[in-house]
Amino acid sequence: GQNIDQPTEMTATEGAIVQINCTYQTSGFNGLFWYQQHAGEAPTFLSYNVLDGLEEKGRFSSFLSRSKGYSYLLLKELQMKDSASYLCAVREDQAGTALIFGKGTTLSVSS
Amino acid sequence: SAVISQKPSRDICQRGTSLTIQCQVDSQVTMMFWYRQQPGQSLTLIATANQGSEATYESGFVIDKFPISRPNLTFSTLTVSNLSPEDSSIYLCSVGEGPTYEQYFGPGTRLTVT
Repeated sequence: GQNIDQPTEMTATEGAIVQINCTYQTSGFNGLFWYQQHAGEAPTFLSYNVLDGLEEKGRFSSFLSRSKGYSYLLLKELQMKDSASYLCAVREDQAGTALIFGKGTTLSVSS
Repeated sequence: SAVISQKPSRDICQRGTSLTIQCQVDSQVTMMFWYRQQPGQSLTLIATANQGSEATYESGFVIDKFPISRPNLTFSTLTVSNLSPEDSSIYLCSVGEGPTYEQYFGPGTRLTVT
């Protein structure tokens, strides 16, 4: 079966660093994606990992370990605007096919 | 990235009626996807819409309830039929593009069934 697990909620303060973990068990694997979704808006693409290791993009980094079925999203220098839901998603099949989403992690950033 | 628009942005419908949601993309794409996001929940794939063939539905979703059209490479519709309050949700279309075929989402259609 398919299973993607993330913590339901996290809290952090401005300027801090937060790590959002994601573990997955899927029948296939062809990439792991992170999305950000602000309340009432559509998800926006943040990052993509298909090989083991760290991908850095500005304040956001994403890590993947395929052997462990594990990924994390690292957010540095947190800002209030980073308060949002963060969705971990896996693509099981070839490029261009649909994603399976985890339930999302709601991050609240306070001053 | 592709620009995706959806109509309507929101609607309130009565039980037993149907709503058709339109999704327009500003470029030609092979695959389009329809997702549902119930209140406070994550995204669930309803179906994959390929141009020129029948849509492929996920477990728990059937064509009679969620008929999909894909007449060309830039447009698709999703109809939610015989509405019940349990269909109240946000419906999003998405396309896969870019070097990694990451998915981009339309703004969504918020449906409330009374």
